[in-house]
Amino acid sequence: RKEVEQDPGPFNVPEGATVAFNCTYSNSASQSFFWYRQDCRKEPKLLMSVYSSGNEDGRFTAQLNRASQYISLLIRDSKLSDSATYLCVVKSPASNTGKLIFGQGTTLQVKP
Amino acid sequence: GAGVSQSPRYKVAKRGQDVALRCDPISGHVSLFWYQQALGQGPEFLTYFQNEAQLDKSGLPSDRFFAERPEGSVSTLKIQRTQQEDSAVYLCASSLTGSGNTIYFGEGSWLTVV
Repeated sequence: RKEVEQDPGPFNVPEGATVAFNCTYSNSASQSFFWYRQDCRKEPKLLMSVYSSGNEDGRFTAQLNRASQYISLLIRDSKLSDSATYLCVVKSPASNTGKLIFGQGTTLQVKP
Repeated sequence: GAGVSQSPRYKVAKRGQDVALRCDPISGHVSLFWYQQALGQGPEFLTYFQNEAQLDKSGLPSDRFFAERPEGSVSTLKIQRTQQEDSAVYLCASSLTGSGNTIYFGEGSWLTVV
């Protein structure tokens, strides 16, 4: 079983739709969680951190459920420019190096 | 530029050839990571340096893979006797310190083994 699991999609949605991505992680000792965005043929870039209290950044909302070891990302009013791969990321609890463990990524295609 | 710089951006190697991939981290960044990303997959951790010390190499897939960072800045990932399964994007990333800071990725070196 992979340490971080995501539905790879693709998710094909019309502009303006609300879309949600889910992710589960296997190590209950994990402490830090993130969503990264990766455009085609580009490097991953930090989208947002994820906290137990939930956090919102404009149209993006991230939630963490530690009991279920479950992370989510909600995108409201999706734009064409949101088309990308969204990577669920967990910081390894096994070291103090900041090593990140990535999920497979979920591909989003927003269509006009 | 101010970001993580990698070279070459694209490399085609014949099976059995040795390759060397270079990473210039952001100036002053202590931590440096190498990741391997196969097509359609997320990045997989290869190795980690804190300054010149290689503190974690648990992700290196075989002894054909070797990484170094001799002066604590530029790093090189070397792959000996390349195989087709080595075809992937090799991403380098750096962060200011070891544990808490944002990690910044370079654009990657795209390796194709034919």
